[in-house]
Amino acid sequence: SAVISQKPSRDICQRGTSLTIQCQVDSQVTMMFWYRQQPGQSLTLIATANQGSEATYESGFVIDKFPISRPNLTFSTLTVSNMSPEDSSIYLCSVEERGSTDTQYFGPGTRLTVL
Amino acid sequence: AQSVTQLGSHVSVSEGALVLLRCNYSSSVPPYLFWYVQYPNQGLQLLLKYTSAATLVKGINGFEAEFKKSETSFHLTKPSAHMSDAAEYFCAVSGGARQLTFGSGTQLTVLP
Repeated sequence: SAVISQKPSRDICQRGTSLTIQCQVDSQVTMMFWYRQQPGQSLTLIATANQGSEATYESGFVIDKFPISRPNLTFSTLTVSNMSPEDSSIYLCSVEERGSTDTQYFGPGTRLTVL
Repeated sequence: AQSVTQLGSHVSVSEGALVLLRCNYSSSVPPYLFWYVQYPNQGLQLLLKYTSAATLVKGINGFEAEFKKSETSFHLTKPSAHMSDAAEYFCAVSGGARQLTFGSGTQLTVLP
């Protein structure tokens, strides 16, 4: 399976600021996904990011708040913009396995606290 | 559309006892089903998956799950719990749309 890293692993930010989270994969992948896990909750898909095209956002998530870049087949970024305490969550990226059966592998997550 | 229900947000077992975590799914197409584990302060690790081959699926760390279409279930079991199994477990379903829908999670506590 792919090895996925995320930076930063955690951060504490002030409201009104923005944070960019990086996701790096050790192999080329077509599909990358960004999830949010609010405290004590399950995972919610924010968007799907394919290389060379605009990210596809799920209901309740908008590009202005969560802009995503996917410049190549091994890297993606998620920005959390104009943060509020409600954005305090773990943000996880995942990649789809090749030849897929929809199997996804996850990065270690970025734990964000907004004060 | 698909959905997942995990019965029991918290399950406690004694070390050495059987682990049973319940998952029921709803899918309008033949599903792919997954179990993930999340240890404290970590990401999700794939335990096992069902992708329409054998209905009894064996995963890592001694876990297995059985796909039962008639019961729309995919329960996770382990014959003998170990302290290191304490974690949160998530069941997920995919209807082939390349997206996963996760259950609400079950926190497993293993008592000495």
